[in-house]
Amino acid sequence: GENVEQHPSTLSVQEGDSAVIKCTYSDSASNYFPWYKQELGKGPQLIIDIRSNVGEKKDQRIAVTLNKTAKHFSLHITETQPEDSAVYFCAASIGVGRDDKIIFGKGTRLHILP
Amino acid sequence: GAGVSQTPSNKVTEKGKYVELRCDPISGHTALYWYRQSLGQGPEFLIYFQGTGAADDSGLPNDRFFAVRPEGSVSTLKIQRTERGDSAVYLCASSSTWSGNEQFFGPGTRLTVL
Repeated sequence: GENVEQHPSTLSVQEGDSAVIKCTYSDSASNYFPWYKQELGKGPQLIIDIRSNVGEKKDQRIAVTLNKTAKHFSLHITETQPEDSAVYFCAASIGVGRDDKIIFGKGTRLHILP
Repeated sequence: GAGVSQTPSNKVTEKGKYVELRCDPISGHTALYWYRQSLGQGPEFLIYFQGTGAADDSGLPNDRFFAVRPEGSVSTLKIQRTERGDSAVYLCASSSTWSGNEQFFGPGTRLTVL
C-alpha cells in the first residue's frame, strides 16, 4: 500500500544552525504535501504545505522542496531557535485528485541544543 | 476563535468495555477526520466524514470501531469490546474547502485499556 518514509527519526541541531528533514512517498498520484509540528500533549499543527505544481515554497525560516520525479520532499528550518524543538511529521495525499486523505511519516524528533 | 475540541482528554478503561470519544470540530467545517496515534508513530487515518456521511472508512481496523456524525458537526468514535492494543491517542481534525483543506487537529484523547 501507499506509504511515507521519513528520516531521520531524531535530529539534534545547535541553536542557530539549520535542520533538514527528508521524506519519500510511494503514490505517484500524490499532489499535496503538508508538514506538521507536534508539541508534547498537543495535536499536530500545520506549519507549511506544498502542492505538486510547485517545486519550492518558503515561509520565513521554513522552506519545503519537492522533487516529483524522485518522489521526495524535504523540510528546511534555518536559524533554529529553542521553540523549534518538537516532533515534525511529513504527510502526502493519496488517491487521484484528492488532498483530503493524507498519510503521515513516522516523525522526526528535533532537539535544538543551546 | 475556538479550535477543535475533544473529550475526554484521558480515558482509562478495562479490557472488554465500550468507550465513546467525542470530537467538536471548528464551526462550519464540513470535513471531519479521525486518526489514531501510537507512541512514536505518526497519526494513522481511521475515517473521514464529509457532512453527515462517512466518505472513507477504510482505515477502521475492524468492526469493533464505528463512528457517527449525525448532524454534520459533532462526531463520536465508538469502540466496542476494547483490547489492550487499542491504547493510543485518538486525534480528530476538521477542515473546509475555504481553508484550503488544511486539517486542524484537536488535542486528542489518550485511551488506555488495562
